[in-house]
Amino acid sequence: DIQMTQSPSSVSASVGDRVTITCRASQAISSWLAWYQQKPGKAPKVLIYAASILQSGVPSRFSGSGSGTDFTLTISSLQPEDFATYYCQQANSFPLTFGGGTKVEIK
Amino acid sequence: QVQLVESGGGVVQPGRSLRLSCAASGFTFSSYGMHWVRQAPGKGLEWVAGIWYDGSKKNYGESVKGRFTISRDDSKDTVYLQMNSLGAEDTAVYYCARDLVLAASSNWFDSWGQGTLVTVSS
Repeated sequence: DIQMTQSPSSVSASVGDRVTITCRASQAISSWLAWYQQKPGKAPKVLIYAASILQSGVPSRFSGSGSGTDFTLTISSLQPEDFATYYCQQANSFPLTFGGGTKVEIK
Repeated sequence: QVQLVESGGGVVQPGRSLRLSCAASGFTFSSYGMHWVRQAPGKGLEWVAGIWYDGSKKNYGESVKGRFTISRDDSKDTVYLQMNSLGAEDTAVYYCARDLVLAASSNWFDSWGQGTLVTVSS
C-alpha cells in the first residue's frame, strides 16, 4: 500500500496568513493526488485534483503543486472559513489512501 | 443538484452484518463510479471500497477485503455496502462518494453524502 504522510499535523495561523501543507507519498504517484477540506461534522470537499487542478467553485487562494512523491497545498491568504482539517489522497493505485490530516487552527 | 443520501447505519453486535445504502439523485448515476469512505470517531479518512461506473470492477481496502461487498443497482440509482463479520474497528461514519470523472475511474471524489454512523458494540 502507498502511505501518505502529511505535515504538519496541525498549524496555528491568523487570517491573511499564507499556509503551506505538505504531503509525501511512500512511492511515486505521478500527479495522482487530491486535496480535501473537512469541517467538523461535515463531509469532505474536494479542493484540488491531479495535484494542481482547482475544482470548480473553489477559491483561487487555494493552489496545489508537486509530482512524484512530494506535494504541497497552499492557501495564499487564510480566510475565516478556511479553518478546517485538510487531507491529501492518492489515486495512483489501490487501495486508495489518505494522509493523516492537517488541522488548521486559529492563532 | 447532486445529492447522495446514505441510510442503514445503526448499532450492531460484533460478528453481525449490516447493509448500507446510498441513494443518488441529480445526475446520471449509471455514468459514475461510486465509493465508500469511512471515518472512525475523531480519526482520519479511510477509503473502504469502490465500484466502476459500469459495475465491471470492484476494489476494496485491505481491512475490509473478504468481509465487505460493494454493489450497485442502476435501476434504483443506489449503491450498497454489505458488511459482514463486523468488529469494533468498523465503528465509523460511512460516507458514499461519487467519482469525479464521468464514465471513467479517476478515484477522486467530488460529491459526498452526509454519512451514516455504524456502531459495532455488544
